[in-house]
Amino acid sequence: GAVVSQHPSWVICKSGTSVKIECRSLDFQATTMFWYRQFPKQSLMLMATSNEGSKATYEQGVEKDKFLINHASLTLSTLTVTSAHPEDSSFYICSAAQTSPNYGYTFGSGTRLTVV
Amino acid sequence: DQQVKQNSPSLSVQEGRISILNCDYTNSMFDYFLWYKKYPAEGPTFLISISSIKDKNEDGRFTVFLNKSAKHLSLHIVPSQPGDSAVYFCAATLNTGTASKLTFGTGTRLQVTL
Repeated sequence: GAVVSQHPSWVICKSGTSVKIECRSLDFQATTMFWYRQFPKQSLMLMATSNEGSKATYEQGVEKDKFLINHASLTLSTLTVTSAHPEDSSFYICSAAQTSPNYGYTFGSGTRLTVV
Repeated sequence: DQQVKQNSPSLSVQEGRISILNCDYTNSMFDYFLWYKKYPAEGPTFLISISSIKDKNEDGRFTVFLNKSAKHLSLHIVPSQPGDSAVYFCAATLNTGTASKLTFGTGTRLQVTL
């Protein structure tokens, strides 16, 4: 089956530093990847849609300069949280879409970011 | 504006019985629906989906029912097993033939007791 690898699974960083999260589709090509954020006991909120070779599309209220997304290849998308602050602490999850939606959208295992 | 809602934040079911998880949506443009299972600190795992041209889809112990007129779908798990204990999210999207974003519900925590 389709596998999406997300790294790191958890990271602790100091306030003001930047953190990069990688999302890789291991056995399929993903022209579109999605980045979500989940606060405790809440739903998954879409942050942005990442399209290979083009700029990401951000959801309303998401700062594009703070959450940099790069989708340089058909198997890799990265999310960089720049100048992280404690309020950025959250669970970040990526998802890669295959050609057929009947296959579902495969999710990575998520990254727990803690900013201290 | 929560376009996909799961009004029951939690549900407890005895092992062997049926679990019924409900989901309502407001956007009539949605035409493809998915259910995901999620454990803490993990990504969601796809369970089952249904297109709006159908009213039922079955896969093993999981069956999804769709009532378009009521903008309501439900996931039935039978028989429920302790390993089914997790948070279940419904999600909706537009089946445009290309990848479009998923809108998730708020989740229902299912606990299957012995």
